[in-house]
Amino acid sequence: GAVVSQHPSWVICKSGTSVKIECRSLDFQATTMFWYRQFPKQSLMLMATSNEGSKATYEQGVEKDKFLINHASLTLSTLTVTSAHPEDSSFYICSARWTSGRSREQFFGPGTRLTVL
Amino acid sequence: AQKVTQAQTEISVVEKEDVTLDCVYETRDTTYYLFWYKQPPSGELVFLIRRNSFDEQNEISGRYSWNFQKSTSSFNFTITASQVVDSAVYFCALRMGGSEKLVFGKGTKLTVNP
Repeated sequence: GAVVSQHPSWVICKSGTSVKIECRSLDFQATTMFWYRQFPKQSLMLMATSNEGSKATYEQGVEKDKFLINHASLTLSTLTVTSAHPEDSSFYICSARWTSGRSREQFFGPGTRLTVL
Repeated sequence: AQKVTQAQTEISVVEKEDVTLDCVYETRDTTYYLFWYKQPPSGELVFLIRRNSFDEQNEISGRYSWNFQKSTSSFNFTITASQVVDSAVYFCALRMGGSEKLVFGKGTKLTVNP
């Protein structure tokens, strides 16, 4: 149990285009999902916390208009990188947490590698 | 402020050697949780262990063992008789009680050579 998937696993796009990444909890409902970013050989940095049915909470320094997050259902959150540029190239990882009342543990997806040319 | 320090950036050992990965954390909270994750080259984070601040018992799971010492704010991870498949980046992380946020260390890249 507690499987999280991401799609796509990797994507290459041209500068200026938008890219959408999906995060799904496959066998549990997730009120809260998290989006992380990991640059090569660096640690995971939390970008935002996504709550089902409400606006995401962004960490300091993360541009809301650049990284659009939608959490429309209890099993799906999406991250859209708008007008992507080469500096947005990174490894994006999502995680999901059980609905309230249960453990706060996060279960991580396999990540999406974004390369912007 | 919460912080996790993994001072060892890279470690290289030969198969069958024992290796210890260090983790030092900072927090003013009395309730918190510590984690270790493994990230193989494929990129997926693999959960290894969670420890809460009230449980200082050391834990052993097969070749893996963890030493939690509140007196030194450390949560070290030892792999006994390392294997090539243990090669990965290992992250230590901290979460405050009542908080959702995980704070990760910078990771230690372990290379086990045959």
